[in-house]
Amino acid sequence: EPEVTQTPSHQVTQMGQEVILRCVPISNHLYFYWYRQILGQKVEFLVSFYNNEISEKSEIFDDQFSVERPDGSNFTLKIRSTKLEDSAMYFCASRAGGSSYEQYFGPGTRLTVT
Amino acid sequence: DQQVKQNSPSLSVQEGRISILNCDYTNSMFDYFLWYKKYPAEGPTFLISISSIKDKNEDGRFTVFLNKSAKHLSLHIVPSQPGDSAVYFCAAIARIWGSQGNLIFGKGTKLSVKP
Repeated sequence: EPEVTQTPSHQVTQMGQEVILRCVPISNHLYFYWYRQILGQKVEFLVSFYNNEISEKSEIFDDQFSVERPDGSNFTLKIRSTKLEDSAMYFCASRAGGSSYEQYFGPGTRLTVT
Repeated sequence: DQQVKQNSPSLSVQEGRISILNCDYTNSMFDYFLWYKKYPAEGPTFLISISSIKDKNEDGRFTVFLNKSAKHLSLHIVPSQPGDSAVYFCAAIARIWGSQGNLIFGKGTKLSVKP
């Protein structure tokens, strides 16, 4: 069964450093998303991506964040200068599109900023 | 501002009995609802969804009920199994806003099914 994959599973970085989180969505899906979950809190939407551009973003997704689909299979989230409060689980998700609104999530990347 | 609320942080049920997980929403523009299950150290797994034009959707042991007038939905699991022990998230979408389908999640309910 096709699945969303994410790498790395755990990333430790120092404050101020850049990180890139990687995702491979399900191959025939058209919509891609990033969410995050700070420990003990709910899963929060960050950004959606369709047709090679950002379609929606939340207020969390400020200028420090960017997304890219560089090669038609990978979908990346970059944080330019990490802050302590960026420590969270980051989930990538994809959906097929059309009348299907079910999103399929990857296993997540745990980002720890020290 | 919690648009999707799951007021019970935890629920304990005996194996074989029914589990009922509840979710309330405040935004009347939400018109599509989903339930996800999440095990520790894994991503959310899609379980079942319901459109606002329906009041019930069933898939095997899982049934979701939607009461639009009360802005309330519930997930019934029957019979409950120990493997159902996980955190269950309710999520909503406002498709009529032309949304790309970004999910608004509740805080989750941790279900424990005891053998």
